[in-house]
Amino acid sequence: GQNIDQPTEMTATEGAIVQINCTYQTSGFNGLFWYQQHAGEAPTFLSYNVLDGLEEKGRFSSFLSRSKGYSYLLLKELQMKDSASYLCAVYASGGSYIPTFGRGTSLIVHP
Amino acid sequence: GAGVSQTPSNKVTEKGKYVELRCDPISGHTALYWYRQSLGQGPEFLIYFQGTGAADDSGLPNDRFFAVRPEGSVSTLKIQRTERGDSAVYLCASSPTASYNEQFFGPGTRLTVL
Repeated sequence: GQNIDQPTEMTATEGAIVQINCTYQTSGFNGLFWYQQHAGEAPTFLSYNVLDGLEEKGRFSSFLSRSKGYSYLLLKELQMKDSASYLCAVYASGGSYIPTFGRGTSLIVHP
Repeated sequence: GAGVSQTPSNKVTEKGKYVELRCDPISGHTALYWYRQSLGQGPEFLIYFQGTGAADDSGLPNDRFFAVRPEGSVSTLKIQRTERGDSAVYLCASSPTASYNEQFFGPGTRLTVL
């Protein structure tokens, strides 16, 4: 089966930088996604990695190491509105277009 | 254009009743996914459609759950003889086609079984 692991909760200060880690054990790999989900709302797409390295998009960056089964989401210049759950999702073996989601990391940003 | 919509936003029912949850995907998206999300958990896959056919229903927990997409756009998730353990948020997502794509999620239906 597939296993995705993320910390349950993190706290950080407004203006700071936070790194949310995701480790995965899957049979095959076809891409990793990060989604943001505010309480009571739909998940929304943040980033996508399929090759090793860093993808940067404004205040958000995501890193992937396929050999280590590891990704992180880096959030810079934290704002209060960044308080949300961050979901890591992995597409595993070829032909299965079904992503497996981690349980999500609840990020609390305080003043 | 409009995003993914789901109705109702909230549904309260009694144990043993039948419920239908509706999803209206983004126009032109051929792939449609249903997930179930419990508090503090990530979305759990239930079933996905490519066009009108169910491409994979391996996530449906038992035969009380069924979903249809007769015309390849709107989908309905049907739950018979509801149980308290069915209480969760049911999320629908669509993507242009079934591939290793970003998914566009609806706001979900919160189902409460009393």
